[in-house]
Amino acid sequence: GENVEQHPSTLSVQEGDSAVIKCTYSDSASNYFPWYKQELGKRPQLIIDIRSNVGEKKDQRIAVTLNKTAKHFSLHITETQPEDSAVYFCAPQAGNMLTFGGGTRLMVKP
Amino acid sequence: GAVVSQHPSWVICKSGTSVKIECRSLDFQATTMFWYRQFPKQSLMLMATSNEGSKATYEQGVEKDKFLINHASLTLSTLTVTSAHPEDSSFYICSVPQGNQPQHFGDGTRLSIL
Repeated sequence: GENVEQHPSTLSVQEGDSAVIKCTYSDSASNYFPWYKQELGKRPQLIIDIRSNVGEKKDQRIAVTLNKTAKHFSLHITETQPEDSAVYFCAPQAGNMLTFGGGTRLMVKP
Repeated sequence: GAVVSQHPSWVICKSGTSVKIECRSLDFQATTMFWYRQFPKQSLMLMATSNEGSKATYEQGVEKDKFLINHASLTLSTLTVTSAHPEDSSFYICSVPQGNQPQHFGDGTRLSIL
């Protein structure tokens, strides 16, 4: 099965700084790479995703980069705001099955 | 896109009770649905894959006789936690894959066993 590792597990930044979270995976069959944001007691919300034929994708303050050779992809958040505080999960997908990373608790200090 | 409805959103019940959770795909016929469990401050862990018209596929360590899954139609999968105990208290969430599109998650069910 897929082995997914996500780092760091916690990340504290000052408002306005950038945050980067990295995810490594093991299954070379993975071809879809989403990032989810989860607030307490709620379902995960897709914030950005990338497919294996693209190296980088950007949506305003959020970007994802993919290195399929090295089997890792990263989430980049620029100009962080307090409302970005949440738990973030990577979840590489092979076939139709997602495997979630351990999560990163991001805290943005005002 | 598909919309997934999950009920109930919160259940509190006594130890030994059986609890049924429903996951409905409102806009999309789903031959497959996934059930996850999330303990506090942990990640989502896949429990089982629900297959329409056939037996569910359970992940290692998940007791199939305790977590009964029924997927009798293309729009409904149910997860029944039988004889629930306090250690079964968790956040249970379903998801519906939709071909090449992102998966759609239900809102989750918070189960608290006293």
